Amino acid sequence: DIQMTQSPSSLSASVGDRVTITCQASQDINNYLNWYQLKPGKAPKLLIYDASNLETGVPSRFSGSGSGTDFTFTISSLQPEDIATYYCQQYDNLPPWTFGQGTKVEIK
Amino acid sequence: QVQLVESGGGLVKPGGSLRLSCAASGFTFSDYYMSWIRQAPGKGLEWVSYISSSNTTIYYADSVKGRFTISRDNAKNSLYLQMNSLRVEDTAVYYCAKGNYLADYWGQGTLVTVSS
Repeated sequence: DIQMTQSPSSLSASVGDRVTITCQASQDINNYLNWYQLKPGKAPKLLIYDASNLETGVPSRFSGSGSGTDFTFTISSLQPEDIATYYCQQYDNLPPWTFGQGTKVEIK
Repeated sequence: QVQLVESGGGLVKPGGSLRLSCAASGFTFSDYYMSWIRQAPGKGLEWVSYISSSNTTIYYADSVKGRFTISRDNAKNSLYLQMNSLRVEDTAVYYCAKGNYLADYWGQGTLVTVSS
């Protein structure tokens, strides 16, 4: 199975800060990587697909980049409503599709 | 708008069974793969199972293979997960999601607790 190593596991930042999360795959996954946002009691939300494509309706402060084994997710200007846990997920070749361990984002 | 509403979760003893349902609306259900994804308390996400639009392709995670059965009724716009021989480690919030490798819509989840 492909392992996804996501870091940091948590972070605290101020409103307006730039926030960066990384995800590393245990093998080349091309650009087959998605990013999701999870908030307690709410339906999880797809933010980025195929490493860098913004899902329709998602604010442009969210972005993704990378290819191969190393990927980055960025919130350009952190907003209070962005408090959540973020997960990367790979879907290269055959299942199982695997997720990173998650990054909990809090406001300082 | 797309809506996915799970039901059927609850408390069950180890070795017991439970059937989860997911009611879909806002899209042509019969055109899409559907999935179940779970999150154990304090843990990460696990892709449990998916099923193709016409039931011809089905995937199960090794952790549930032989115990869980995914199915769908396109006439009722519904997805199901029959869970047998439940274990304590199956305790999780179970999410219904649209898609098979890209979950572009999710439900709010239903909690399954396996405990004696």
